[in-house]
Amino acid sequence: NAGVTQTPKFQVLKTGQSMTLQCAQDMNHEYMSWYRQDPGMGLRLIHYSVGAGITDQGEVPNGYNVSRSTTEDFPLRLLSAAPSQTSVYFCASSAGPGTGELFFGEGSRLTVL
Amino acid sequence: AQKVTQAQTEISVVEKEDVTLDCVYETRDTTYYLFWYKQPPSGELVFLIRRNSFDEQNEISGRYSWNFQKSTSSFNFTITASQVVDSAVYFCALSDVTQGGSEKLVFGKGTKLTVNP
Repeated sequence: NAGVTQTPKFQVLKTGQSMTLQCAQDMNHEYMSWYRQDPGMGLRLIHYSVGAGITDQGEVPNGYNVSRSTTEDFPLRLLSAAPSQTSVYFCASSAGPGTGELFFGEGSRLTVL
Repeated sequence: AQKVTQAQTEISVVEKEDVTLDCVYETRDTTYYLFWYKQPPSGELVFLIRRNSFDEQNEISGRYSWNFQKSTSSFNFTITASQVVDSAVYFCALSDVTQGGSEKLVFGKGTKLTVNP
């Protein structure tokens, strides 16, 4: 049972570099989302998608891009990394509103120097 | 705007003590969902419970129990006879179920629980 898979688990970037955090789920869930977790801040929603081809911004979208070309995948792109993007990133999926819990990936720890 | 407040930043108890984690929420929606997640030191997020706004029945699952009171906008979590393995950060969250199928969680800042042997 893979569930939600995130890669990489750890990444160190230099300021200005770009990278993509990958997220894949095998539960045929329509809803996927990205959160970031910072010390003392809880988790904050970056972007979300309610289905293939549909994405929208969450609470803290600046500096991040997303796309949803398939139901399974929801990559998060940092076009020009900044130290403020140092965080732990979680991808999540669910079958939709009212269907139950969000299933979270194991997290990706990103450090921007 | 929706908001979740977990006023207790850190709690430390001795094993076998009961402990209650507080959660107060704000929303204008009449339909919403409340969640509790556990984040052990290993870092993953573990789902504990979901409660919808129309169900105010308290829930018990083993040593865990939840008290949902709409009158005070609270969804408190009690661990009975705490164990060292309960040491974790616990997050309360509120779901904004809007038209169009989106489901977005607003998290509290978390309460770090340490259970000492």
